[in-house]
Amino acid sequence: SQTIHQWPATLVQPVGSPLSLECTVEGTSNPNLYWYRQAAGRGLQLLFYSIGIDQISSEVPQNLSASRPQDRQFILSSKKLLLSDSGFYLCAWRDYRGIHGYTFGSGTRLTVV
Amino acid sequence: DAKTTQPTSMDCAEGRAANLPCNHSTISGNEYVYWYRQIHSQGPQYIIHGLKNNETNEMASLIITEDRKSSTLILPHATLRDTAVYYCIADMSGTDTNAGKSTFGDGTTLTVKP
Repeated sequence: SQTIHQWPATLVQPVGSPLSLECTVEGTSNPNLYWYRQAAGRGLQLLFYSIGIDQISSEVPQNLSASRPQDRQFILSSKKLLLSDSGFYLCAWRDYRGIHGYTFGSGTRLTVV
Repeated sequence: DAKTTQPTSMDCAEGRAANLPCNHSTISGNEYVYWYRQIHSQGPQYIIHGLKNNETNEMASLIITEDRKSSTLILPHATLRDTAVYYCIADMSGTDTNAGKSTFGDGTTLTVKP
């Protein structure tokens, strides 16, 4: 069966520090991968998506970047965090045929202080 | 993807059916209706999806109107554990050409009360 792992679960980082959130998927190949961010009490904002290795598309210009060095690994990064980067970050995968919708990771709650 | 509209919040008594509406009047012919729910501080969980026909699985039923402009998610016997935010989205399947990029609005906060 397919599983998705996202870590860490919580993170407190000072302003100006770097960020690296990692997401891996098991049990499938060539998944579509996504990074979403959720502000408190709001819906999900799509940040990045990828349909293949080194194929990254950005939905919203911002202080963040994403990379996909391997088929089932998706990384969200920042060189210098801003206070506004705080939020709940969710990684998700979807079969490229999209039959069963998204499967989300458990999320990372990032607080920039 | 077509825009969807959902009520901000709903209450339901435990053991009763919860009927969550969604409006997607601009849905295109090849867009599916998907439902997800998010329990506090967790990632959203897929519930059900459909194109034209009504669908049922172990979690819920999905009723889509004949003109496909709206749908209703039905939780037949709501429990306290069904308290969550429910998202309705309309999108095409995740084919390579569009990668299934979906926008999740604010959803409906369902509160099941004892």
